[in-house]
Order: sequence, then structure tokens, then C-alpha cells
Amino acid sequence: RKEVEQDPGPFNVPEGATVAFNCTYSNSASQSFFWYRQDCRKEPKLLMSVYSSGNEDGRFTAQLNRASQYISLLIRDSKLSDSATYLCVVNEPNYGQNFVFGPGTRLSVLP
Amino acid sequence: EAQVTQNPRYLITVTGKKLTVTCSQNMNHEYMSWYRQDPGLGLRQIYYSMNVEVTDKGDVPEGYKVSRKEKRNFPLILESPSPNQTSLYFCASSPYTGELFFGEGSRLTVL
Repeated sequence: RKEVEQDPGPFNVPEGATVAFNCTYSNSASQSFFWYRQDCRKEPKLLMSVYSSGNEDGRFTAQLNRASQYISLLIRDSKLSDSATYLCVVNEPNYGQNFVFGPGTRLSVLP
Repeated sequence: EAQVTQNPRYLITVTGKKLTVTCSQNMNHEYMSWYRQDPGLGLRQIYYSMNVEVTDKGDVPEGYKVSRKEKRNFPLILESPSPNQTSLYFCASSPYTGELFFGEGSRLTVL
């Protein structure tokens, strides 16, 4: 059974803090990995893709550990506007491809 | 403008009255998918389609039907809605690059 797991939180952090989320996946054949952001009752939107070499976009850094089957997201210098739910998404191979979502981690950045 | 359009956005109906939620994308994407989102349960996949006439069950297909007769459209059909299908529904499409493009969501209430 395919599974993508995340700590649901909530993570309550003060402005300016650094916060990290992890996500584990069960299918070792998974091919690509992503972090999405979802604001309350809105549609999810792509935050960043996760590459084997790791990647950074401003205050956000994503890393992939294939051996341990987890991906991570690090947010530095948290802003109030970072408050959202962060969804880990794995693209799994079957006879085609399919996207599997984790349950999401809720982040609240407090003033 | 590239987009995924869902209709209706809001609907209140009664148990047993068949309804269809339409989803249309104008990006020529092969992959389309339906999700439902309930408090505390995250996004759960209902059905997905990897191309025209190719559909497959997700994690929670019971009580739903889909069809993919043309690439742009992927309607979700509730033949006999029940109160446990009250939820927020999202349609999404992707060219398999990893970015899923979501519709704005359809909030359905079944009385």
C-alpha cells in the first residue's frame, strides 16, 4: 500500500524562526518529489520540486534522502505569510504515473 | 489563461439526487485527478486518469464515477449522493512534470 507520511503538527513558531518538516514515503520506486503549500480551504500550489542534489529557493531548502526514503523542507527566517499547510507529494510509477499526497503539516508563524 | 475550471463551486443537494461536478483544463494535460478534502484527513484521491479513456481508482472511489472521453474534461459523477460525501472537492491536471494545477474547489453539501 502506497504511503506518504508527515507529522501533522501544528508547528507554532515565532517570526524569524527556522522550521523543518520531514516526509517519509514507502515506495522505493518513487521517481519525483514535491512540496506543495495549501492555504486554508484553498487549492494547493506547488512550492518547490525536490531534486536528488537538494535545492534552494530563497528561504526554502528541500532535500531528498533516497536511501532512507524521506524528503525534508527547511524554512528559514519564517514570516507570518508562511502560515499554511505544507503537503509532501510523491510521484509514483505504476503503469503510468500517479501523484500521492501526504496528509500535510500545518505551520503557524506567530508575531 | 492556463487554468483548471470546476463547476459548480458551491452546491447543496439532497440524498439520492444525482449530480455531476465538471472539470475542464485548457493546457492539453494528459493526467487529471479528483480529490476530496475533509477536516483532519488531508487530500484523498478519488479517481485519476492518465489519458483519454484511461481511468483508475484512487483511495476512496466508492460512491463516485468518472469518465474521460476527451482530454480536456474529467467530470465527477455522484449517482446517489449521501451525507458522507459532503466535502470539498478538487480537480487537478498535470503534464507529468510534477506540477499539479488545481481547480479552485467545489464545496458540496448533501443533506
